[in-house]
Amino acid sequence: AQKITQTQPGMFVQEKEAVTLDCTYDTSDPSYGLFWYKQPSSGEMIFLIYQGSYDQQNATEGRYSLNFQKARKSANLVISASQLGDSAMYFCAMRGSARQLTFGSGTQLTVLP
Amino acid sequence: NAGVMQNPRHLVRRRGQEARLRCSPMKGHSHVYWYRQLPEEGLKFMVYLQKENIIDESGMPKERFSAEFPKEGPSILRIQQVVRGDSAAYFCASSPQGLAGTGANVLTFGAGSRLTVL
Repeated sequence: AQKITQTQPGMFVQEKEAVTLDCTYDTSDPSYGLFWYKQPSSGEMIFLIYQGSYDQQNATEGRYSLNFQKARKSANLVISASQLGDSAMYFCAMRGSARQLTFGSGTQLTVLP
Repeated sequence: NAGVMQNPRHLVRRRGQEARLRCSPMKGHSHVYWYRQLPEEGLKFMVYLQKENIIDESGMPKERFSAEFPKEGPSILRIQQVVRGDSAAYFCASSPQGLAGTGANVLTFGAGSRLTVL
């Protein structure tokens, strides 16, 4: 069974500062993928970044980076230089042998001006 | 290149009625996934389909819910005799290939269909 835990229901960050959203996971699968999605108030799910369990380097996509610590089973999302438009719900998800994504409960990020 | 199209975006039903939610995957995608999001919660997997086949329905409630993805036309999620607890956002996602392991196949989501049961 797969499990994703996001322990921060809500986070606040000042505009232009960096913020880290926590995600831990549990799986017995030897290979798996980790994802982050953004859900703004409009409701759509927007893919942000992906990390494979065998990837040697942490994934980066523009202002998003994934701090992957395999031994700790954590896959934290780092957003640098926060913008007001980053205010949204953020979901961590994983995929292992099961052919679907398992999502965490999400973190509501609010960027303050 | 249109993304995943879901309709209706909003649907209101009274208890006991039927709800039909449609999903047209991205062009070239033959794998469809349905997820449900209850208020203030994350997305929960319901069912995974390929054309004319249900691959994994482990997340589907045993009664009243069904899904199909016919050879022609959109995927349909059908909820019979809706109850208030069915009120949720239902998301469809598609991928060009099945998901497995570390493959970087990404699910592309539609904008969701929000069902309200009165």
